[in-house]
Amino acid sequence: DTGVSQDPRHKITKRGQNVTFRCDPISEHNRLYWYRQTLGQGPEFLTYFQNEAQLEKSRLLSDRFSAERPKGSFSTLEIQRTEQGDSAMYLCASSLDFYGYTFGSGTRLTVV
Amino acid sequence: KQEVTQIPAALSVPEGENLVLNCSFTDSAIYNLQWFRQDPGKGLTSLLLIQSSQREQTSGRLNASLDKSSGRSTLYIAASQPGDSATYLCAVRPSNFGNEKLTFGTGTRLTIIP
Repeated sequence: DTGVSQDPRHKITKRGQNVTFRCDPISEHNRLYWYRQTLGQGPEFLTYFQNEAQLEKSRLLSDRFSAERPKGSFSTLEIQRTEQGDSAMYLCASSLDFYGYTFGSGTRLTVV
Repeated sequence: KQEVTQIPAALSVPEGENLVLNCSFTDSAIYNLQWFRQDPGKGLTSLLLIQSSQREQTSGRLNASLDKSSGRSTLYIAASQPGDSATYLCAVRPSNFGNEKLTFGTGTRLTIIP
């Protein structure tokens, strides 16, 4: 068990470009979550998966955001046509049923 | 809508002191409460998880309590060390089935002075 892995750790992109982040959860965990955190704030919920099904999406997740979890394993979060307001730390977490969350180290996105 | 508040926003104490961090929440219909630690620019590390039926959990020098009816939790750190310097976040998970969203506080930034 190597914990939750996120890749890349840092991403700098120009406004208007598309970016994709990857999250590998703990292997036996069936739930996977994406959160976004801006400076000085607590993380805010974006979306979650139970196995391969995306069960809920926050209103924060605009049409430019899409998340997938093929085969209920790793997940990707894509942001299209990035904007400066998308600059944040994107955190992935996983859990087994209703137990506690385990978070990854996050991907820090900077849009210039 | 659940709201989570952490007071104080920042705290500095000399090394060796015992300290208490506070977390309050407005909706007592929670499934569990989790305390996390976050170092600058890093992800979240889980410290303690308290189920709604529990009153407290302990791990080493850390003790977390939960008073669900009053909407409060505290994190007690004994014999603080410089390595404890970090931001501490609490988060609550709602009890209604199908609602998986954690609601976080904005954290307490703790500095331990050597």
